[in-house]
Amino acid sequence: SQELEQSPQSLIVQEGKNLTINCTSSKTLYGLYWYKQKYGEGLIFLMMLQKGGEEKSHEKITAKLDEKKQQSSLHITASQPSHAGIYLCGADGGQAGTALIFGKGTTLSVSS
Amino acid sequence: GAGVSQSPSNKVTEKGKDVELRCDPISGHTALYWYRQSLGQGLEFLIYFQGNSAPDKSGLPSDRFSAERTGGSVSTLTIQRTQQEDSAVYLCASSLGGVGGYTFGSGTRLTVV
Repeated sequence: SQELEQSPQSLIVQEGKNLTINCTSSKTLYGLYWYKQKYGEGLIFLMMLQKGGEEKSHEKITAKLDEKKQQSSLHITASQPSHAGIYLCGADGGQAGTALIFGKGTTLSVSS
Repeated sequence: GAGVSQSPSNKVTEKGKDVELRCDPISGHTALYWYRQSLGQGLEFLIYFQGNSAPDKSGLPSDRFSAERTGGSVSTLTIQRTQQEDSAVYLCASSLGGVGGYTFGSGTRLTVV
């Protein structure tokens, strides 16, 4: 079965600094989803990537899917306290009728 | 509704009791998913519905767990004879099916004492 590994598990950065979170899959990714979760809340959809080499941006967050489609990175530029939370990657294994599987998440804290 | 609604938001129950968790998906979303989130464990897939049928129940951890969906809409996750290890946040999500992101509810935090 497909597994997703996220790194780092947790991260503390100073406000204004850049950071990168990685998501590595044990199998080819057919769809890679990034979500953000704040404590006690549900997951908020950030971006979806499907094509190798694809890159998407939303405000100060950029996500990329590598050419071989087994790794994705999430990059935050000039971090703000509002970026704090848990970032999770989810993967579509390419089989119809199956649900997304998720990594264990990366907890981001931003100090001001 | 505008989003995925889950109830109750919090539930404290005694070990051995049965609990029911409810999920009301976005209107028109044919696919519905249940996940469990425990500290340090990430999201654990439980069950997936397409319409009223469940093509994938592979994630249900034991026969104490069951779920149903009626009218292609509301779903109920039932845990019988709750154990302390069932304590977790239970998240529900819905989607139009096929490729595309899921919309998650805020979850039900279950505590078994």
